[in-house]
Amino acid sequence: KAGVTQTPRYLIKTRGQQVTLSCSPISGHRSVSWYQQTPGQGLQFLFEYFSETQRNKGNFPGRFSGRQFSNSRSEMNVSTLELGDSALYLCASSRVGGTEAFFGQGTRLTVV
Amino acid sequence: GDSVTQMEGPVTLSEEAFLTINCTYTATGYPSLFWYVQYPGEGLQLLLKATKADDKGSNKGFEATYRKETTSFHLEKGSVQVSDSAVYFCALSEVGKYSGAGSYQLTFGKGTKLSVIP
Repeated sequence: KAGVTQTPRYLIKTRGQQVTLSCSPISGHRSVSWYQQTPGQGLQFLFEYFSETQRNKGNFPGRFSGRQFSNSRSEMNVSTLELGDSALYLCASSRVGGTEAFFGQGTRLTVV
Repeated sequence: GDSVTQMEGPVTLSEEAFLTINCTYTATGYPSLFWYVQYPGEGLQLLLKATKADDKGSNKGFEATYRKETTSFHLEKGSVQVSDSAVYFCALSEVGKYSGAGSYQLTFGKGTKLSVIP
């Protein structure tokens, strides 16, 4: 069974640009969550999607957004990039009624 | 709100030494507890979990017991190997607590970097 797949693995963007990251969950998993990992703040929850609906959102500015498609694949978008957005962005998927989340390898975003 | 506190390290041990990484949590309900491991340049891998009080999670020689009375979930391994060198994260989730039935959010500790030397 394939795991959670995130693309791309690495990105370099310039301040002010926007970026879109993609996540394909484990087959059959309908919940997809996104997390930001930085050395200073650690792992922080961004948002969670289920059946194309955002169910929960962390404390991030509106520049961070996401969506989920009917096949459960998810994308997150960051607009007007800032240097502080440089981070490892992790996607996780969970099955309905499941108690654990399974993570992808992450997308390393560097803003210059 | 929910929170997780774990010893931050770094922790350096010799091969075959005993490992303990402390983790305590604060939650309003009855969370599930997890240990995740992150190897350099990788995402998070679920190491073990426990979903109710007194449950013991175990995997690859690692163990942790859900202690409700002390709100703790300490990670232990009897004999570490060089290949165990990684960052370990304690985490909790309270399914359905946020915004609706089934919604899922993990709260993580800051992570503990473990280095095992031969």
